[in-house]
Amino acid sequence: AQSVSQHNHHVILSEAASLELGCNYSYGGTVNLFWYVQYPGQHLQLLLKYFSGDPLVKGIKGFEAEFIKSKFSFNLRKPSVQWSDTAEYFCAVKITDKLIFGTGTRLQVFP
Amino acid sequence: GAGVSQSPSNKVTEKGKDVELRCDPISGHTALYWYRQRLGQGLEFLIYFQGNSAPDKSGLPSDRFSAERTGESVSTLTIQRTQQEDSAVYLCASNWAGLNEQFFGPGTRLTVL
Repeated sequence: AQSVSQHNHHVILSEAASLELGCNYSYGGTVNLFWYVQYPGQHLQLLLKYFSGDPLVKGIKGFEAEFIKSKFSFNLRKPSVQWSDTAEYFCAVKITDKLIFGTGTRLQVFP
Repeated sequence: GAGVSQSPSNKVTEKGKDVELRCDPISGHTALYWYRQRLGQGLEFLIYFQGNSAPDKSGLPSDRFSAERTGESVSTLTIQRTQQEDSAVYLCASNWAGLNEQFFGPGTRLTVL
């Protein structure tokens, strides 16, 4: 069955630290990949997405992600986190018309 | 409307009761999705409506769960004879056919006592 794995369940960082959140998926076909973010008390929002082309995609708020097809990975990165990045981050794969989500990573950034 | 809206925002019910959750998608969005997020878990796909096509119900966990959508507007998710394991946040999303991004509502937090 198709699945998405997020290895980091809870990440705690200080401001200005670098961030990398892992995401791996299990599906051999063509995929569309997403990172969604949920800030405390807010809706899920799209952070960035990959459909095709350049495997390094840039999203909002300085986030980027790299699609590595051979590793079935789509890791999220940010070179320097801010306190306002405290949120829950979800990786998702679109297969046919459905989104398959990972379990999420809770990021806490301390000033 | 400007975004996907859901009601109620919170629902507390007793085990065995039926509940209805409502989703108003963004106007003009042909596709509508329901997801469930249980505590500590990822979002779990439940059901998908696309225009007038038959819905994809492959994610519904049991026959106690059903959903309806009238045309390309409001959808209602019904859970009959609720159980404690149904406690979760139920999220609705919508988009246009062929557009990959889904726009999410704020969710309904269901608590079954």
